[in-house]
Amino acid sequence: GAGVSQSPSNKVTEKGKDVELRCDPISGHTALYWYRQSLGQGLEFLIYFQGNSAPDKSGLPSDRFSAERTGGSVSTLTIQRTQQEDSAVYLCASSLVSGVGREQFFGPGTRLTVL
Amino acid sequence: AQSVTQLDSQVPVFEEAPVELRCNYSSSVSVYLFWYVQYPNQGLQLLLKYLSGSTLVKGINGFEAEFNKSQTSFHLRKPSVHISDTAEYFCAVSEGNNNDMRFGAGTRLTVKP
Repeated sequence: GAGVSQSPSNKVTEKGKDVELRCDPISGHTALYWYRQSLGQGLEFLIYFQGNSAPDKSGLPSDRFSAERTGGSVSTLTIQRTQQEDSAVYLCASSLVSGVGREQFFGPGTRLTVL
Repeated sequence: AQSVTQLDSQVPVFEEAPVELRCNYSSSVSVYLFWYVQYPNQGLQLLLKYLSGSTLVKGINGFEAEFNKSQTSFHLRKPSVHISDTAEYFCAVSEGNNNDMRFGAGTRLTVKP
């Protein structure tokens, strides 16, 4: 079956512009996660969804960041008024909630470059 | 909330040498523990996981990890590394009562000939 997909794979934008990043999780996975990986840094947790709701938004760096999920499937991460420090690889992952394990399956990421 | 500390940001080793990548976690409840690997220019993939049962967990590519509850550790080991093991390794913890997961900052393993 298809894995987690993300689009676009690369995004170059100018400072101050808004960007939308998309994630398609594995079919049937009810949990969806967003992470940010900056050069030389680890994975920074941003937000996760259980169904369409986001129980934990504590990782969002500022109010310029928002995310939504519709139909328990596709999710979009929106960054408004982008800044150069937003440049990073944004990773999406999904997992089954029921049962033990909670293994997260990762997408290939979206590399965002803010000029 | 849970947290993870990877004590070494970089570990250089020679080919065929043993390696241990250290991971300590902090949690007040039962946990699930994971190691993920990210090869150069690739996405993350699961290496191994501890859910319950035997504290020694074996994963892909000859890696294994041991869960030590008293020391709150989950160190990753391999008795003999290959050049192809060069990658970034991430330890992660998920608490038993929620669906959240936290990753460590990663350890860059570089295997030299």
